[in-house]
Amino acid sequence: GQQVMQIPQYQHVQEGEDFTTYCNSSTTLSNIQWYKQRPGGHPVFLIQLVKSGEVKKQKRLTFQFGEAKKNSSLHITATQTTDVGTYFCDDTGTASKLTFGTGTRLQVTL
Amino acid sequence: SAVISQKPSRDICQRGTSLTIQCQVDSQVTMMFWYRQQPGQSLTLIATANQGSEATYESGFVIDKFPISRPNLTFSTLTVSNMSPEDSSIYLCSVLRVPGELFFGEGSRLTVL
Repeated sequence: GQQVMQIPQYQHVQEGEDFTTYCNSSTTLSNIQWYKQRPGGHPVFLIQLVKSGEVKKQKRLTFQFGEAKKNSSLHITATQTTDVGTYFCDDTGTASKLTFGTGTRLQVTL
Repeated sequence: SAVISQKPSRDICQRGTSLTIQCQVDSQVTMMFWYRQQPGQSLTLIATANQGSEATYESGFVIDKFPISRPNLTFSTLTVSNMSPEDSSIYLCSVLRVPGELFFGEGSRLTVL
């Protein structure tokens, strides 16, 4: 499958600042999933978005699916050092073909 | 959720040798996958491990290099054959329980000298 592009590749913020990563595709996405991978760890599922324009929140994290279902964003409010890691979006494509985005690595310092 | 055990967690191997990675899931799952994650990179799907039949490989991956077994719905192995330093990577087993929601094993970090 075509890899979805994420921007930025890397971001370094001070604790308390906000952070946003964007996932973009040239084709319409059926669903989109977001994963977090801590340094040295494995990816952990965060959320799935299915509907056009859908917005979901998990505490300080806000996930959004674009109206055209070609892009998605993850916004973290008031980052903490526990937010450090790489955030991946993933396009289901078909039920069994999962294509991970390029990832955004977040570094948070005090 | 799913509990996935992968072995070994890490290994250092000599060029030209082969290594088999095991993946054990705590309950039966239909969809099981093997991924590779090179240092600082995203995840690349190697193949779908099919129970009772040959694995389905993605473009750029072949059975001779990455033979996969799936004898039942809770277990799979991935072998990295005739290794070279370019095979140094993290290999991850994953399962799909709910459509779109992947659970990953801890990964096997392979270093080839």
